[in-house]
Amino acid sequence: GAVVSQHPSRVICKSGTSVKIECRSLDFQATTMFWYRQFPKQSLMLMATSNEGSKATYEQGVEKDKFLINHASLTLSTLTVTSAHPEDSSFYICSARNGSNYGYTFGSGTRLTVV
Amino acid sequence: GENVEQHPSTLSVQEGDSAVIKCTYSDSASNYFPWYKQELGKRPQLIIDIRSNVGEKKDQRIAVTLNKTAKHFSLHITETQPEDSAVYFCAASRRTGNQFYFGTGTSLTVIP
Repeated sequence: GAVVSQHPSRVICKSGTSVKIECRSLDFQATTMFWYRQFPKQSLMLMATSNEGSKATYEQGVEKDKFLINHASLTLSTLTVTSAHPEDSSFYICSARNGSNYGYTFGSGTRLTVV
Repeated sequence: GENVEQHPSTLSVQEGDSAVIKCTYSDSASNYFPWYKQELGKRPQLIIDIRSNVGEKKDQRIAVTLNKTAKHFSLHITETQPEDSAVYFCAASRRTGNQFYFGTGTSLTVIP
């Protein structure tokens, strides 16, 4: 149980285009999901907290107009990287609380390469 | 906000030896401290966690200690094996539903 599916696992896009990443909780409902970015050999940096039915909460320094988050249902949150640039190339990973008091489950991550 | 520091950034040990990774945190309201293991290109996997009402927790070869007064917690791996080689992250969080703030990671290499 407590599986989080993330798609796509890898994506290559051209500069200036937009890319959508999906994060789904498969066997539980997630009112809150979290989006992280991880550069090579670095830690996971929290980008934003995605709340079902309301606006996402962004961490300081994260552009909300560039990283659009939508959490339209209890099982799906999406992150759209708009007008992508090469510096947006990174590993993006989501997580969701899996129903236990403190447990969180991570998605499998998305490797984004902007060329 | 929370600031989590982690040391060392890299650690090499001989197979069978112990490995210790230390983290400090800044937010006294944090009360949940998980440790994650991440293999290259894969998602982080929870290996052990501790809550603020406990000082130590052990699971086979892995143990975690917490000193709330000093705001630091440590991961201890005994009898290390090559498959323990990975990047380990500590994290701190407030109560249920809150986001994690991760440490900077420790790349552990266990030399056969």
